[in-house]
Amino acid sequence: DIQMTQSPSTLSASVGDRVTITCRASQSISNWLAWYQQKPGKAPKLLIYKASTLEGGVPSRFSGSGSGTEFTLTISSLQPDDFATYYCQQCNSYKAFGQGTKVEI
Amino acid sequence: EVQLVESGGGLVQPGGSLRLSCAASGFTFSRYWMSWVRQAPGKGLEWVANIKEDGSQKYYVDSVRGRFTISRDNAENSLYLQMNSLRVEDTAVYYCARDDIGGFFPSWGQGTLVSVSS
Repeated sequence: DIQMTQSPSTLSASVGDRVTITCRASQSISNWLAWYQQKPGKAPKLLIYKASTLEGGVPSRFSGSGSGTEFTLTISSLQPDDFATYYCQQCNSYKAFGQGTKVEI
Repeated sequence: EVQLVESGGGLVQPGGSLRLSCAASGFTFSRYWMSWVRQAPGKGLEWVANIKEDGSQKYYVDSVRGRFTISRDNAENSLYLQMNSLRVEDTAVYYCARDDIGGFFPSWGQGTLVSVSS
């Protein structure tokens, strides 16, 4: 099975910062990767799919890049609403998630 | 508007069984793969199982294969997860999610909590 590894596990940042989260797959997944945001007590929210396609309604400060085994999620200017936990997910038959990155103040 | 509403969670003893349900509305249920995803308290997301539109293909994570069974009733717009031989480590919030083409999840339910404890 394909394993997904995110880094860092926790990220301390301030409003206005540029933030980058990395996700690595144990083998190539082409561009079959999604990113989610989750806040406490809530279901995850899809941000990006196919590695770089922004889901409708998601602010343009979020962007995704990468292919093969290495992917990044970038928040260009961190806003107060963006403090949350972020997960990557490989989109093959067995849909493994990364372990999550908590973005905190 | 897509709506997914889970039910059936609760407290069960180790070795027990539970059946989760997910009622879908706002889209043509029979045209989509569907998944169950879980999240243990304070932990990350774990995909559990998914099922093809017509129920002819099913996939499971290794840790539940042989104990959990995913099924669906397209006439009732409902997804199910039969959980047998439950273990303490199955304690989690269970979400149902719609699989879109491309294998990602744009729509999620609110989740239902399953607690396995003696």
